[in-house]
This record gives sequence, C-alpha cells and structure tokens, in this order.
Amino acid sequence: KAGVTQTPRYLIKTRGQQVTLSCSPISGHRSVSWYQQTPGQGLQFLFEYFSETQRNKGNFPGRFSGRQFSNSRSEMNVSTLELGDSALYLCASSGGGLETQYFGPGTRLLVL
Amino acid sequence: GIQVEQSPPDLILQEGANSTLRCNFSDSVNNLQWFHQNPWGQLINLFYIPSGTKQNGRLSATTVATERYSLLYISSSQTTDSGVYFCAPSGGYNKLIFGAGTRLAVHP
Repeated sequence: KAGVTQTPRYLIKTRGQQVTLSCSPISGHRSVSWYQQTPGQGLQFLFEYFSETQRNKGNFPGRFSGRQFSNSRSEMNVSTLELGDSALYLCASSGGGLETQYFGPGTRLLVL
Repeated sequence: GIQVEQSPPDLILQEGANSTLRCNFSDSVNNLQWFHQNPWGQLINLFYIPSGTKQNGRLSATTVATERYSLLYISSSQTTDSGVYFCAPSGGYNKLIFGAGTRLAVHP
C-alpha cells in the first residue's frame, strides 16, 4: 500500500499571499489530520477531517482552513500569510477510530 | 487540555548502550503513540500503545494509563536511532497532543 503523500514538498511564499497544501491518505483511510511544526511551538494539531466533515479543531486563527473531498484527499489553506506561518506542515491518515495514525513526509513552507 | 512532558530533553549515547525515555501526561487518554522523527522531518510511527506493553525488535514501550505515563526503551542503540522521539497522547480520536520530544544522538 502506498503511504501518505503530500504536495508540494517545498514552498516559498511572501507575506500576504495564500497557499494551498494537499494530502492524499493511505487507500481506505477516511480520516486526515493536519499538524504544524515550528521550532518555537513544536508540533501542534490544526484540524481533523473525517468523511468530508471537520471533526476536531485546534487553536489556530481562521486564516487556517481545510476541506476533505469524497475520495478522502484533503487540502489545507492558509490565507494572508505571515512570517510566523513558516513551518513544516504534516498530515496524517487513519481509519478514523482509535488507531494508529500514519504521517506523510510534510510540506516545508517558507514565508518571506 | 492534556499536558505532555517528556524527559530527558536531550540524550547522548555510545553505540550499544540502552536507554529509557519517559512521557508523563496530565489527563486520561484513550490513544497514545510514540514516533521517531528523522533528520528529514518524517514522523515514523513506533508504537500505538494506549495501555500495556509492546515490543518491536530492539524497541519496546509500556504505558501505565492509570498512573499517566509511558516509557520507551531502546536497547543496543545504533547510530540510525538518532533523531527526535515524540510521545503523543490523545483524549479524543485523532487529535494527538505532542510533547516537546527527546533529542537522541548515538555516537559510534
């Protein structure tokens, strides 16, 4: 089975722009979660989607949003980028219950 | 929300040594995973262990949910074990709360 894939792997944007990141889960997985990793704040939960519905949400501003499609692929969008949004963005997939989550390789976003 | 503390923050070992990493969490959990993050940022799942003990080769983990801690044992460490180890419990489905990690360096 193919693992979790994320595109793009690297991205450079400037302040004020918006960005969309994509995550394709393991085949058959219906849950996709997103996390942000920065040197200062560590790994933080952004949100989780299950069967196209947001099931959990972390403490991030409304500039961070996401969605999930009927094939379980998920996108997250960050609008009006700030320098502090520079981070490694990781997504994880699972079947949706209390079980192992598997992470993708991440997208490194640099905001200039 | 759940607070997670990992210790030690940094660990330096000689190849072949054994080590124990600890994770304390502040509330009851129904999900706990241990991860190894490699130098490229990839989070590799080591154990899904909300309770009990599991072993996988040179690694083993124990979670005592009633006392709110989990331990990761690494035996006969190798240089490829270097990286950051994260404990991530969850109180609800897939909202993992990550600790700050233990940074391990194994020298030959």
